[in-house]
Amino acid sequence: DTAVSQTPKYLVTQMGNDKSIKCEQNLGHDTMYWYKQDSKKFLKIMFSYNNKELIINETVPNRFSPKSPDKAHLNLHINSLELGDSAVYFCATSGGPGTGELFFGEGSRLTVL
Amino acid sequence: GENVEQHPSTLSVQEGDSAVIKCTYSDSASNYFPWYKQELGKRPQLIIDIRSNVGEKKDQRIAVTLNKTAKHFSLHITETQPEDSAVYFCAASRYGNKLVFGAGTILRVKS
Repeated sequence: DTAVSQTPKYLVTQMGNDKSIKCEQNLGHDTMYWYKQDSKKFLKIMFSYNNKELIINETVPNRFSPKSPDKAHLNLHINSLELGDSAVYFCATSGGPGTGELFFGEGSRLTVL
Repeated sequence: GENVEQHPSTLSVQEGDSAVIKCTYSDSASNYFPWYKQELGKRPQLIIDIRSNVGEKKDQRIAVTLNKTAKHFSLHITETQPEDSAVYFCAASRYGNKLVFGAGTILRVKS
């Protein structure tokens, strides 16, 4: 029973399209995150939600819009995809903001052609 | 904001040797310093962490040391094995704030 699950695992799409990545956690954690890992392996936080409330919104193009329908789900919608959006997107959870271990999902590899 | 620098970017060691990865941080108020291991194609996973009230922590073959005055912390892996080959990330945060990761170190253990 996967603690943090993301779908889809792989996504190949054309420039200009809109796509979504979904994340679900069964750990009962209050805080969920989206991280982007680029081709150089750098892990950069994009967004963080605590109890469905947005608490971290890094300098991310407004083409990226997170949505947390409930405490167990955090989705990421990307409009007008660009080549530079190609990356692995990781969902993660923790017991609270900065309170310790991050539990990552398996990642969603997005390739924009 | 916090900035974390990590060195080296790649590290090759012979099986059985030790490996050391070093990180420096900029925010003197940071008090939580975890290390994550990411195997090829897998998710990052926590391997050890240390809080600022502790100078050293060990867990079997891995240990982390923290020097708050110098604002740097290090990961030490002894008796390296091929399965230790992975990307290792250090990170730092102030309690209640976001975790900032270093750029990662690719560790290769040659058998």
